Amino acid sequence: VQLVESGGGLAQPGGSLRLSCSGSGISFSSHHMHWVRQAPGKGLEYVSGIVRNGDKTIYADSVKGRFTISRDNSNNKMDLQLSSLRSEDTAVYYCVREEAGDWKPFDFWGQGTLVIVSS
Amino acid sequence: EIVLTQSPGTLSLSPGERATLSCRASQSLYTNYLAWYQQRPGQAPRLLIYGASYRATGIPDRFSGSGSGTDFALTVSRLEPEDFAVYFCQYYYTSPQTFGQGTTVEVK
Repeated sequence: VQLVESGGGLAQPGGSLRLSCSGSGISFSSHHMHWVRQAPGKGLEYVSGIVRNGDKTIYADSVKGRFTISRDNSNNKMDLQLSSLRSEDTAVYYCVREEAGDWKPFDFWGQGTLVIVSS
Repeated sequence: EIVLTQSPGTLSLSPGERATLSCRASQSLYTNYLAWYQQRPGQAPRLLIYGASYRATGIPDRFSGSGSGTDFALTVSRLEPEDFAVYFCQYYYTSPQTFGQGTTVEVK
């Protein structure tokens, strides 16, 4: 099982980035998927999630209206579009798999991609 | 919104000692959908415990979870060198999911 994030980097305040997560060795379409972030030296913060078929999405209040999550099950891929970026969005962003089923723990995490928002 | 408060913030112990970490919820978690994660330095978190007391696949039996309602605990019976890390609790029967702020277990 492998989840690989990409797309992180340096962005200016107000700018945009698109993060991607590619899954291999998993039944991608069988799992709800999520993004969780961790600011430098801080704890874990839930960012966004998307159900198996992509019909429903959820966002933390801190990113609602600025971030958009999507998935492409045919290519085992999930994206997170980050817009109107703020300095407080600086963090490592983890792609996370929810255990198969509903209301399950997060059983597999990618290694993360670092987003830095700075002028 | 349920808030999870972990204590202590930092636990200073020696290898071989017992560690007990606390996670307290702001209201009762009737479903006990409480998980614990370990994060070693420079690594992603990994699932240790789910359903408050069930060990995830491959987790050594020195790790155990307990509790119900509002008070939960993670116990490491005898600390190994690789157990010095940060531990987070999570309530996953809610959307969006909620994490505690973490407890660092450091070498004394």
